[in-house]
Amino acid sequence: AQKITQTQPGMFVQEKEAVTLDCTYDTSDQSYGLFWYKQPSSGEMIFLIYQGSYDEQNATEGRYSLNFQKARKSANLVISASQLGDSAMYFCAMREGWGGAQKLVFGQGTRLTINP
Amino acid sequence: ETGVTQSPTHLIKTRGQQVTLRCSSQSGHNTVSWYQQALGQGPQFIFQYYREEENGRGNFPPRFSGLQFPNYSSELNVNALELDDSALYLCASSPSLGPANTGELFFGEGSRLTVL
Repeated sequence: AQKITQTQPGMFVQEKEAVTLDCTYDTSDQSYGLFWYKQPSSGEMIFLIYQGSYDEQNATEGRYSLNFQKARKSANLVISASQLGDSAMYFCAMREGWGGAQKLVFGQGTRLTINP
Repeated sequence: ETGVTQSPTHLIKTRGQQVTLRCSSQSGHNTVSWYQQALGQGPQFIFQYYREEENGRGNFPPRFSGLQFPNYSSELNVNALELDDSALYLCASSPSLGPANTGELFFGEGSRLTVL
């Protein structure tokens, strides 16, 4: 069963607008972590933001915020005031539990294009 | 602080050959993971090494093997290459899980393997 679902293959947004990238997840664990990574054409995965399953506040990091709705198993990324440099692939990922390997399960990604 | 570095960045092999990819972890990190990212897909977990031992493996055949060295650098070896092995291979390092560690992975820029 797919654990991370990103339903938007591509998004096109005007510069300076806000954009929401969708992510839903599936897990039976009570303890888990959710991540968003950005992957520019260079290939490197760049960490953006993290939300722990027990965190009561939505995570924020500069222009990035994570809209965490636990009951709906949703962890959408919101980018405010988008910039041309935000054009990239964006991946939602989940870490289950704390023991064993620090394995992340990734979604299929969303390609975000910012238009001037 | 030096980040994760991978070599080579690009390489071309033919079916049936063997390949070795190398990764230097970020300073202070003792855990290294390898991921395979096929074109248009999210990264898939191959395996993880902690203190020179494999401590987790994804759904990959035994011809995918690895090593971690005392300085925490790592190698990924793939024998009997198949066309479907063509992908971006990402190395990620992380410190041990602990109270202050979310499980975030720090990625290199990857090694792009083409199998002809």
